[in-house]
Amino acid sequence: RKEVEQDPGPFNVPEGATVAFNCTYSNSASQSFFWYRQDCRKEPKLLMSVYSSGNEDGRFTAQLNRASQYISLLIRDSKLSDSATYLCVVSTGGGNKLTFGTGTQLKVEL
Amino acid sequence: DTAVSQTPKYLVTQMGNDKSIKCEQNLGHDTMYWYKQDSKKFLKIMFSYNNKELIINETVPNRFSPKSPDKAHLNLHINSLELGDSAVYFCASSHTVDQPQHFGDGTRLSIL
Repeated sequence: RKEVEQDPGPFNVPEGATVAFNCTYSNSASQSFFWYRQDCRKEPKLLMSVYSSGNEDGRFTAQLNRASQYISLLIRDSKLSDSATYLCVVSTGGGNKLTFGTGTQLKVEL
Repeated sequence: DTAVSQTPKYLVTQMGNDKSIKCEQNLGHDTMYWYKQDSKKFLKIMFSYNNKELIINETVPNRFSPKSPDKAHLNLHINSLELGDSAVYFCASSHTVDQPQHFGDGTRLSIL
């Protein structure tokens, strides 16, 4: 099993839709979780950290399910500008490194 | 006010050459990284340094040699470049190894 797994997509959704991504991780001892966003030909940028209690930032909600070892990202009222690749990031290897998932591509269409 | 800057942005060179990529961060972070992102877009860690000491070396060919003269700089030297080295190389930094990382713009390396 890969350390971090994501559905590669692409997810093609109409503007205004709600879309959810899941990411599973294999190391039950993982402590730190993040979602990053990467636009085409650009560097990855931190979107939000994921906390045990779940957290929200505007239209974005992140959840952590330790029992099932997955994190999720929910985007409400999606905008054209949300089109990007969303990378799930998990601390692995005894907490001494972060591992990036392969990313889920989102395309928001008119 | 660039937080993580890497140079050059584009590097086109011939197979067999030796080249270097430089990275500097002004965030006061202790940890710096090099990642490789290939044509399939998979972002793979290569090296990590904490306070100038190597802490991660992910089975990278020894043609790749990182150097950290101080904790604000992490350079990458590549010897005898091969076609398979063509990729985007990202430098990143963070306060500690499990904290969010800030990335540079990337260096697009093309081997002819």
